[in-house]
Amino acid sequence: AQSVTQPDIHITVSEGASLELRCNYSYGATPYLFWYVQSPGQGLQLLLKYFSGDTLVQGIKGFEAEFKRSQSSFNLRKPSVHWSDAAEYFCLMRNYGGSQGNLIFGKGTKLSVKP
Amino acid sequence: NAGVTQTPKFQVLKTGQSMTLQCAQDMNHEYMSWYRQDPGMGLRLIHYSVGAGITDQGEVPNGYNVSRSTTEDFPLRLLSAAPSQTSVYFCASSYSMLGTPSGANVLTFGAGSRLTVL
Repeated sequence: AQSVTQPDIHITVSEGASLELRCNYSYGATPYLFWYVQSPGQGLQLLLKYFSGDTLVQGIKGFEAEFKRSQSSFNLRKPSVHWSDAAEYFCLMRNYGGSQGNLIFGKGTKLSVKP
Repeated sequence: NAGVTQTPKFQVLKTGQSMTLQCAQDMNHEYMSWYRQDPGMGLRLIHYSVGAGITDQGEVPNGYNVSRSTTEDFPLRLLSAAPSQTSVYFCASSYSMLGTPSGANVLTFGAGSRLTVL
């Protein structure tokens, strides 16, 4: 069955520290992968996406993610976290040619940032 | 550049009442969808539409109705609200780029509607 797993429900990092949020997927081929961020009380905003090609993708707000086929992972990274990065982060997957009906969400990772 | 607009932002209902959550987009997107977000559950798809006049059920459609009479609007109706429908609801839209598989569509989300059913 297709699935997206975000193993960490809640992560706390210090401002200025590096960040890595984990995302693992289960799918028989290469899926389309997305990371979205949800700030408190807001809708979801696209950070970055992976469709094909270079496995290291750059996104907005200084985020990047690396697609690793061998590990079925698409982890999100940022070298230096800012207090404004405190939010909830969602990893999403959709298979090739998939309609909106099969967009699969991870359950999210909440990021807290210590001053 | 309004994007996806949801109204109301907050609503309190009594059990058994009906209401409609409105969603409008001004980007001429073909696809529109409704999700509910509950703590620890992520976002779950309620209904979606691939174009005017076409709708389909998602993962959790029971208790909700939708219609798509225009490209711009995709209202979500609760016919008889229940406490289990207390949630935050998100509308999203996307377009299909010519020559790009539909799986590559990027969703644009509204700001959400928080519904409480007493």
